[in-house]
Amino acid sequence: QSALTQPASVSGSPGQSITISCTGTSSDVGGYNYVSWYRQHPDKAPKLMIYDVTKRPSGVSNRFSGSKSGNTASLTISGLQAEDEGDYYCSSLTSSSTVLFGGGTKLTVL
Amino acid sequence: QVQLQESGPGLVKPSETLSLTCTVSGDSLNSAYWSWVRQPPGKGLEWISYMYYGGSTNRNPSLKSRVTISVDTSKNQFSLRLASVTAADTAVYYCAGVLSATYFHWGQGILVTVSS
Repeated sequence: QSALTQPASVSGSPGQSITISCTGTSSDVGGYNYVSWYRQHPDKAPKLMIYDVTKRPSGVSNRFSGSKSGNTASLTISGLQAEDEGDYYCSSLTSSSTVLFGGGTKLTVL
Repeated sequence: QVQLQESGPGLVKPSETLSLTCTVSGDSLNSAYWSWVRQPPGKGLEWISYMYYGGSTNRNPSLKSRVTISVDTSKNQFSLRLASVTAADTAVYYCAGVLSATYFHWGQGILVTVSS
């Protein structure tokens, strides 16, 4: 199974908004509302930021939002802050009941 | 508060079997699916496997023949065995608690190096 497709890097200035895309197929992203997003800081475990495409876990800022259109899911971060910097990964359930992760996107806050 | 902690050898010889255990505290193993994910140095996340305590399991097709995942409810632990390892299996291995393909809880990770 091939990884979901994410841009290798994105950047933005403090206060700006950025969007990270996650492209799969109708057998994963497009077929299920089980898309999640994780943020990973260096040498740390990933942290859940968005699940079920649009839901935020308790404690995650409402500056983080998720959406999906067809086979592409997106994570939007508004009001960018320095602490948002890190690597972001999407994941999806697949038609084989496996889990696919994206290749990861490095977010740089300028 | 759910906590997970990986344990096991940090160094494994090529062709041998990697064995890791994840100890879960703050939750019961029958409350969720339990999973292993790995991350080679400098690379992205790779899903390995998940299982439900009742026996339902699934494995990454690329690793399927080498992966065994099991659970010990008496110790609130679940384990990973990866056979015939090579240098390509060098990675940080994470255990995690999963619901509806969402990774809600993660261990801190354990680096396993495959080298003679």
